[in-house]
Amino acid sequence: GQNIDQPTEMTATEGAIVQINCTYQTSGFNGLFWYQQHAGEAPTFLSYNVLDGLEEKGRFSSFLSRSKGYSYLLLKELQMKDSASYLCAVSPQADRGSTLGRLYFGRGTQLTVWP
Amino acid sequence: KAGVTQTPRYLIKTRGQQVTLSCSPISGHRSVSWYQQTPGQGLQFLFEYFSETQRNKGNFPGRFSGRQFSNSRSEMNVSTLELGDSALYLCASSLGQPSGRSNTEAFFGQGTRLTVV
Repeated sequence: GQNIDQPTEMTATEGAIVQINCTYQTSGFNGLFWYQQHAGEAPTFLSYNVLDGLEEKGRFSSFLSRSKGYSYLLLKELQMKDSASYLCAVSPQADRGSTLGRLYFGRGTQLTVWP
Repeated sequence: KAGVTQTPRYLIKTRGQQVTLSCSPISGHRSVSWYQQTPGQGLQFLFEYFSETQRNKGNFPGRFSGRQFSNSRSEMNVSTLELGDSALYLCASSLGQPSGRSNTEAFFGQGTRLTVV
């Protein structure tokens, strides 16, 4: 089966740093995505990790440890607009591309940024 | 370029009815995936279509079906609606080819919010 866990809620203040963790147990692994979803809107792509290590993109960074089945999303210099749900999603083992269109999602972490 | 377009945005149906949702992917994308999003279960995979063929299927009953047309547009149908089918239905498009990490990114539409009463 597939199991992806992330905290339900987190809060932080403007200008702070927050780390959202995600642990996964899946039958096969091809990569891990992070998406941001504001209320009533579509999820938008933030990052994609395939290899172990840290990927930095502006204020957002994502880390992956394949051996530990663990990832985190790091948000720096938090802004009010960062209040949203953050979704961790795993792409299972690709088999001639047949599984690329399927993602397993965690239930999302609702982040609230206070002034 | 235009994003993923889903129609309608909102829909109210009664139990027992059937419904068809539409998704137009980004131009050039051949893979369309459908997800159901509810507060309790989060995002759950329904199925994926690639070049008019169902390539993957999630664990949903047979009341949920879909198809893809030659222009990559996809439709999802739910028959004999139940109250529990009330959810946000999201469609995601991607290139669908395993040729580089950039091709794995999925772009989501705004979704269709279905309410079954």
